[in-house]
Amino acid sequence: DTGVSQDPRHKITKRGQNVTFRCDPISEHNRLYWYRQTLGQGPEFLTYFQNEAQLEKSRLLSDRFSAERPKGSFSTLEIQRTEQGDSAMYLCASSLTGGDPEAFFGQGTRLTVV
Amino acid sequence: GNSVTQMEGPVTLSEEAFLTINCTYTATGYPSLFWYVQYPGEGLQLLLKATKADDKGSNKGFEATYRKETTSFHLEKGSVQVSDSAVYFCALRATDKLIFGTGTRLQVFP
Repeated sequence: DTGVSQDPRHKITKRGQNVTFRCDPISEHNRLYWYRQTLGQGPEFLTYFQNEAQLEKSRLLSDRFSAERPKGSFSTLEIQRTEQGDSAMYLCASSLTGGDPEAFFGQGTRLTVV
Repeated sequence: GNSVTQMEGPVTLSEEAFLTINCTYTATGYPSLFWYVQYPGEGLQLLLKATKADDKGSNKGFEATYRKETTSFHLEKGSVQVSDSAVYFCALRATDKLIFGTGTRLQVFP
């Protein structure tokens, strides 16, 4: 499978715990995006990387959230001290740069905070 | 700011019926416009796109025309199939990121 892969697919955690998600983009794609989707809503932009540089962060990304892409390949999204409001689907997408590139999405990680 | 508004669902149709899902946008400048589809248990997939005014995107029998004068990008299909049942998202690209509408669930019955 050469698409975008995310791990884990599902995560249940207790409030106050830390969680980390991983995204492996399509190998030649230098852009990587994180979005969050809550029930009944469309995906909302969180942050994106071009290679290893984090170029933009949404105001939705509180201090408890941190994302990295240390070698310009896979990325991790960590949420510290999880809250019930963090329960959502976390989507990763990747694309090339230049022109009007198509963004390819992974299947997402569904987080449930209990 | 930039935003996308699409009609609420669910939209329930019989097979072979005509489909319209309305989408309007607010944006500075002239963004590229997209329709994404999410089938049950799968990730978002690009269905079609249009990059400038009067462009028509089309794929799998679906069409949408970029209307600058009405700031709209309505999705249409002449004859839907049961396999088209999914959630459809309208989106625009603003400064390298996608801004999505809330999604419209389509249910097609045989």
